[in-house]
Amino acid sequence: NAGVTQTPKFQVLKTGQSMTLQCAQDMNHEYMSWYRQDPGMGLRLIHYSVGAGITDQGEVPNGYNVSRSTTEDFPLRLLSAAPSQTSVYFCASSYLIRGRGLYEQYFGPGTRLTVT
Amino acid sequence: QQQVKQSPQSLIVQKGGISIINCAYENTAFDYFPWYQQFPGKGPALLIAIRPDVSEKKEGRFTISFNKSAKQFSLHIMDSQPGDSATYFCAASKPAGNKLTFGGGTRVLVKP
Repeated sequence: NAGVTQTPKFQVLKTGQSMTLQCAQDMNHEYMSWYRQDPGMGLRLIHYSVGAGITDQGEVPNGYNVSRSTTEDFPLRLLSAAPSQTSVYFCASSYLIRGRGLYEQYFGPGTRLTVT
Repeated sequence: QQQVKQSPQSLIVQKGGISIINCAYENTAFDYFPWYQQFPGKGPALLIAIRPDVSEKKEGRFTISFNKSAKQFSLHIMDSQPGDSATYFCAASKPAGNKLTFGGGTRVLVKP
């Protein structure tokens, strides 16, 4: 299993440009999430999905769109990049541990995005 | 406001020493408290987790202590090794919740 994969690893954008960060998982997990990591702030949830066709907003959704057409893929779109979106982006997938009511999350390696 | 507060921001410990990282939370609805370990250039990886029905959980050299009344939990790394040098994040989630709220992270450096 490749686990959670993310592309690209690095990206530089100019203000106003749009782009899509790709995320894929091969573990057949129902749940997928996008987080951004900024110094001193830990990871903050942007959007998440509980299954194909179902998405919802997290803590910091503004400026980002998501869709989930398949179980495997969960792309994150930046509509009009801003310098405040300079960050490291992590995709995660998780599954419900039956009988324990817990989710174990697996994170991808991250995409480092710089917006100038 | 930050719902999970983590301290210290950074920590230097000698090889063989004990690293202690503390977290405090505000939302009493949280009932799952994992710790993640992150190496440079990598994504976070689950290290150990606890639920409020126990006060302590130990896995190898890593121990979580949990104080429900104080709404605090901590990670102890015993016999710290240079390979433990990483950033550690505490987190919390609500019952059957898939959404994690993270602390700000602690960068641990273990000196040989």
